[in-house]
Amino acid sequence: EIVLTQSPGTLSLSPGERATLSCRASQSVISSYLGWYQLKPGQAPRLLIYGASSRATGIPDRFSGSGSGTDFTLTISRLEPEDFAVYYCQQYGSSPYTFGQGTKLEIK
Amino acid sequence: QVQLQESGPGLVKPSETLSLTCTVSGGSISSSNYYWGWIRQPPGKGLEWIGTTYYSGTTYYNPSLTSRVYISVDTSKNQFSLELSSVTAADTAVYYCARVADYYESSGHGVRYFDPWGRGTLVTVSS
Repeated sequence: EIVLTQSPGTLSLSPGERATLSCRASQSVISSYLGWYQLKPGQAPRLLIYGASSRATGIPDRFSGSGSGTDFTLTISRLEPEDFAVYYCQQYGSSPYTFGQGTKLEIK
Repeated sequence: QVQLQESGPGLVKPSETLSLTCTVSGGSISSSNYYWGWIRQPPGKGLEWIGTTYYSGTTYYNPSLTSRVYISVDTSKNQFSLELSSVTAADTAVYYCARVADYYESSGHGVRYFDPWGRGTLVTVSS
C-alpha cells in the first residue's frame, strides 16, 4: 500500500499570501494518477488537480500542482477567503487507492 | 452536469449491515469512461477509499474491507449501492459516492480522478 504523508498538518496564513502544501509518497506514484481535493464541512469534496498538474474544470488558476515520483506539491498563489479548507492528496495508480491525512489551511 | 446523491439510514446497529445508495443524475451510469466509487471519512480522520464499480458489475475493493463490502449497480435506476456487513463503531463515518474518470489522453497517458462527489451522508453505528 502506498502511504501518502502530507505536510504541514496545519498551515496558518493570511488572505493574499502564498500557500505551499506537500504530499510525499512511500513509493513512486505515476504522476497521471495523483490528485488534490478540497474539503469544506457540509459540502461535496472538490477536485482541484488531477494528473499531478492539470487543473480540473472551473478551478481558478491560482491553484497549481507539480511534482513527480514521490514528491508532489499543491500551490495556491494568492489565498482568497474561500480557500481556507482542508486539502487532501490522493493516488489512484496502485490499489488500494490512498489519501494523505490532509492539510488544514486556516486563517492566521 | 452530473450530480450524485447518497441516501440511506443514518443509524445502524452494531453487527448489522450498512446499506447506502447513490443516485446519479444529469448523466448515465453506463458511460464507458467512468467508474463509480465509495469513499468514507470517520469523524476527525482522513479519507478512505472503499471500492469502485463499473456499470457492467466489475468491482474493485479496498483489501482492508473486501471481506465485508459489496458494491452493486442498477443501470435501470441509474444508481449504485454499497453494503458493508458486520459493522462496528469504527465504521461510523461520512460516506461519499463519486464518479471515477478513467481514460487515456491523446498523449497516451492514463488519467484517473474522482469527480464529482456527492455531499456525503453520516452513518452512525450505535445500539
